[in-house]
Amino acid sequence: RKEVEQDPGPFNVPEGATVAFNCTYSNSASQSFFWYRQDCRKEPKLLMSVYSSGNEDGRFTAQLNRASQYISLLIRDSKLSDSATYLCVVRGGATNKLIFGTGTLLAVQP
Amino acid sequence: GAVVSQHPSWVICKSGTSVKIECRSLDFQATTMFWYRQFPKQSLMLMATSNEGSKATYEQGVEKDKFLINHASLTLSTLTVTSAHPEDSSFYICSANEALSPETQYFGPGTRLLVL
Repeated sequence: RKEVEQDPGPFNVPEGATVAFNCTYSNSASQSFFWYRQDCRKEPKLLMSVYSSGNEDGRFTAQLNRASQYISLLIRDSKLSDSATYLCVVRGGATNKLIFGTGTLLAVQP
Repeated sequence: GAVVSQHPSWVICKSGTSVKIECRSLDFQATTMFWYRQFPKQSLMLMATSNEGSKATYEQGVEKDKFLINHASLTLSTLTVTSAHPEDSSFYICSANEALSPETQYFGPGTRLLVL
């Protein structure tokens, strides 16, 4: 079983749509959680950290459920520029290592 | 924000040659640097963790004699792919932690390696 699992997509949505991505992780000792965005042939860039209380940054909302070991990302009012691969990332256990999911590809259509 | 650079951004080489990739933290001191590899349509996989002045810690399945890592200063780490083969063709990305904010990793732009 992969340490971090995501639906690879692709998610094809029209502009203005709301889209949700889910992610599960296997290590219950994981301490930090993130969503990264990766554009084609580029490095990943931090989109937002994820906290148990849930957090919002503009059109983006992230949620963490530690009991279910489940992380989500909600994007409202999708823009063309949101098209990218969204990576669920977990910092594992007592180490400082980042464990990446395979990513979910989002394509926002005009 | 903190900036990490990589050089070269892409390289094409013949099978059997060695390729060196540099990772630099431009405006901060990086006590720890990480090297990742990403194959097409796959996730980033951590290859090794490098601490300044000490030997790198390699992940399971990564050959330390093939992927030589040197972290001689607080702003520079190098990855050398020795005797590269076509299966080593990949996207190599480094990241760095700043000593004052170890929770945050700053990623370099990546190096695309193609071995013919």
